[in-house]
Amino acid sequence: EDQVTQSPEALRLQEGESSSLNCSYTVSGLRGLFWYRQDPGKGPEFLFTLYSAGEEKEKERLKATLTKKESFLHITAPKPEDSATYLCAVEKGFQKLVFGTGTRLLVSP
Amino acid sequence: SQTIHQWPATLVQPVGSPLSLECTVEGTSNPNLYWYRQAAGRGLQLLFYSVGIGQISSEVPQNLSASRPQDRQFILSSKKLLLSDSGFYLCAWRPRGSVKGLNTGELFFGEGSRLTVL
Repeated sequence: EDQVTQSPEALRLQEGESSSLNCSYTVSGLRGLFWYRQDPGKGPEFLFTLYSAGEEKEKERLKATLTKKESFLHITAPKPEDSATYLCAVEKGFQKLVFGTGTRLLVSP
Repeated sequence: SQTIHQWPATLVQPVGSPLSLECTVEGTSNPNLYWYRQAAGRGLQLLFYSVGIGQISSEVPQNLSASRPQDRQFILSSKKLLLSDSGFYLCAWRPRGSVKGLNTGELFFGEGSRLTVL
């Protein structure tokens, strides 16, 4: 069965304390892996798309990487405004995105 | 630039009442459109998607239906709501066309509609 598992479920960091979020998947025929940020009560905001193993994308303090089995979202020197839920999704087949349940990140000042 | 609007933002409805959530996209034409539901502690679940006017694909058998009466309008409906229909509903769009020969590319989400069925 196609699955997307994100870990940890929740992560609390001090401002400036770098860390990584994990997204592992068992989808066959991967056509893309997506990272989103979601603030409470809001729709997800697109961050990155990765298409092939070895690919990396960066945006401000965030860096996403992809291997054949998992993706990491690295957060360098986070700030309180980085607090949000980070969602991972993989696309397999036509129009089918499978989402993980997300990692809730809290960055304390 | 493209924008997506979804309404109402919040809805409280009694069991057995009808539902209509509306979504419109501006600044693009011929988009692929999607309805997702997000339940607490669960990932986003794809409910419906549409690749064109009048073309609806259902992913999960349920009490809901979708329609696309115009190119940039997507409506989620129910004739009789159930308690289990409560949740956060998200409309999304994706540009038509393909990347690497496949219909991939990022989804852009609306702000969501919080539905509570009592």
